[in-house]
Formats: sequence, C-alpha cells, structure tokens
Amino acid sequence: AQSVTQPDIHITVSEGASLELRCNYSYGATPYLFWYVQSPGQGLQLLLKYFSGDTLVQGIKGFEAEFKRSQSSFNLRKPSVHWSDAAEYFCAVGVGSNDYKLSFGAGTTVTVRA
Amino acid sequence: DAGVIQSPRHEVTEMGQEVTLRCKPISGHDYLFWYRQTMMRGLELLIYFNNNVPIDDSGMPEDRFSAKMPNASFSTLKIQPSEPRDSAVYFCASSLEGTQYFGPGTRLTVL
Repeated sequence: AQSVTQPDIHITVSEGASLELRCNYSYGATPYLFWYVQSPGQGLQLLLKYFSGDTLVQGIKGFEAEFKRSQSSFNLRKPSVHWSDAAEYFCAVGVGSNDYKLSFGAGTTVTVRA
Repeated sequence: DAGVIQSPRHEVTEMGQEVTLRCKPISGHDYLFWYRQTMMRGLELLIYFNNNVPIDDSGMPEDRFSAKMPNASFSTLKIQPSEPRDSAVYFCASSLEGTQYFGPGTRLTVL
C-alpha cells in the first residue's frame, strides 16, 4: 500500500521569505500526487496535483511542486510567503484509476511571522 | 458550482444520542468519501462510495457508525449511539477522475 511522509511537523517562516515543504511517498508505480491546504476551521482546499507529464506543477496562490521520481518526492514551494499562507498543508498520494482512495501525510503546520 | 455541501456545520449532542451528518457532493462526481479529523489521529478515511455503492468501509471505527448513499446527490453518516470519543471534525469529499474536493466539515461535539 502507498504511504506518505511529511518530515516537518511545524515550520516557521518570515513574511516575504521562501517556503519549501517536503513530501516523500512510497509506491511502486507512478502515483497521483496532491497538495492540499487547510486554514483553521476550514476544509481542505486543493493547491495542485500531478498525474503525469511536466514534473513541475503550478498551483493556486503562487505555489508550485516538483515531482522527482528518483527521490520519491513531491516538495511544495512558494518563492515569497504572505501572512495568509499560515495554515496546515497536507501531501496526498493516490494509486490512480479504478481506486481513487488517497493516503494523506500527517501535515505540516506553517506559521508566518511578520 | 457550489462545491461539496455539508450540514450541519456544528453539532453538539449528548452521549447516547443519534447523530446524522449530511453531504451533497459536487454534481457529476462519481466518488464520495467520508473522513474524520482529530488532533490525535489526523485525517482518517472512514468509508467511500463509487456510483452510490460502498466500496471500502474498513475505516469505520465500529458498528455504531453507518453510512448510506441513496442517490448520487446525497449521503449520510450516522452515529448511534454517540460517545464523547466520537468528537471530531467530519469531512465529506467528492471526486471525479481522481481529484478529491472537500466540504467545509461538520464539527461534532459529544458531551
């Protein structure tokens, strides 16, 4: 079965600084990969996804992620963080067609300091 | 599109009472998922449906939990009887071609 590891439980970053959140997955084939964001008291919002093709994926709110097969990673990046980016971020992996169940990482909480 | 709709948004009940959570998926989506989120366990998949048919309910904690999807536009998650340890945020998500979209959640508090 597939699994997802987010090594960083909590990251603090200054407003305007760059942000990188790590995600590693375990799965034999090419997975479907997702990043979601959850603001306090809200549901999970899809930031971006990778199914195939270009390994650098652009998402909403200025986020991007890069799929690296050799490292089994799908790290999320943003060049300049805004205070509104403070939230919890979840990486998820799916096996694709015929079974659209996702496995979620434990999440990384991002705090933005002024 | 209105997105996934869940009701109620907040529910406070007493131990032993029956609780019913409701979900309306995005029109045209063929998968529906129920999740539970707590600080201790994170996000847990409880059950999911494909074309209104339950596919995997192995995440349902015990027989007190049941879920139905009588048609493509409605699903319920029922807890009977409820217990304090059921307190959590319950999310519904719907999916088309692999991408899941989440509802705002129902925050359940069992006293």
